[in-house]
Amino acid sequence: EAQVTQNPRYLITVTGKKLTVTCSQNMNHEYMSWYRQDPGLGLRQIYYSMNVEVTDKGDVPEGYKVSRKEKRNFPLILESPSPNQTSLYFCASSLLSGDRGRAFFGQGTRLTVV
Amino acid sequence: SQQGEEDPQALSIQEGENATMNCSYKTSINNLQWYRQNSGRGLVHLILIRSNEREKHSGRLRVTLDTSKKSSSLLITASRAADTASYFCATDRNQFYFGTGTSLTVIP
Repeated sequence: EAQVTQNPRYLITVTGKKLTVTCSQNMNHEYMSWYRQDPGLGLRQIYYSMNVEVTDKGDVPEGYKVSRKEKRNFPLILESPSPNQTSLYFCASSLLSGDRGRAFFGQGTRLTVV
Repeated sequence: SQQGEEDPQALSIQEGENATMNCSYKTSINNLQWYRQNSGRGLVHLILIRSNEREKHSGRLRVTLDTSKKSSSLLITASRAADTASYFCATDRNQFYFGTGTSLTVIP
């Protein structure tokens, strides 16, 4: 089954404690991205990657890091989380082309930073 | 930001009525897509319309695209309580840009 898997689904952490949210897709997609969703603000892109070892900033990259060492995995790293990073996070993947087609989303990670 | 803007932000209708949501965007696009999100869950793809298409149908969904006005609309006909969700448009121009969404409530 084609899917994007995020872990964990829920996470409560304390300010400053490094954490990683994993994302994996099984569709051999080149394009992967991370979004955060906050009430009234829709989905805002944090980082995206067009292929292995190719990553770029989205609209709200501050406080986040990503890596793309393998095509299937695209982890999101918060080196020193702060309360304003409390949000619902989504990973997505799609083919990379001039007419890309649909994006597949993970089920989301609800992060609370206290 | 190049994200789309959906209108209205919230919509409440009776079961059986039609629901129309609009999306406006700012730049040229390769295609435009509509997604649905049930509360707190991941987004699910509904329909894609290419920049050279004007209208597309999928079951009870009808999407129109007017590239001269940089706008799109999603029509859900004969709505059901199960259609209650948030709906997002996404423009694809090298990256996906999502709007802020329309929250649809269908009252049984």
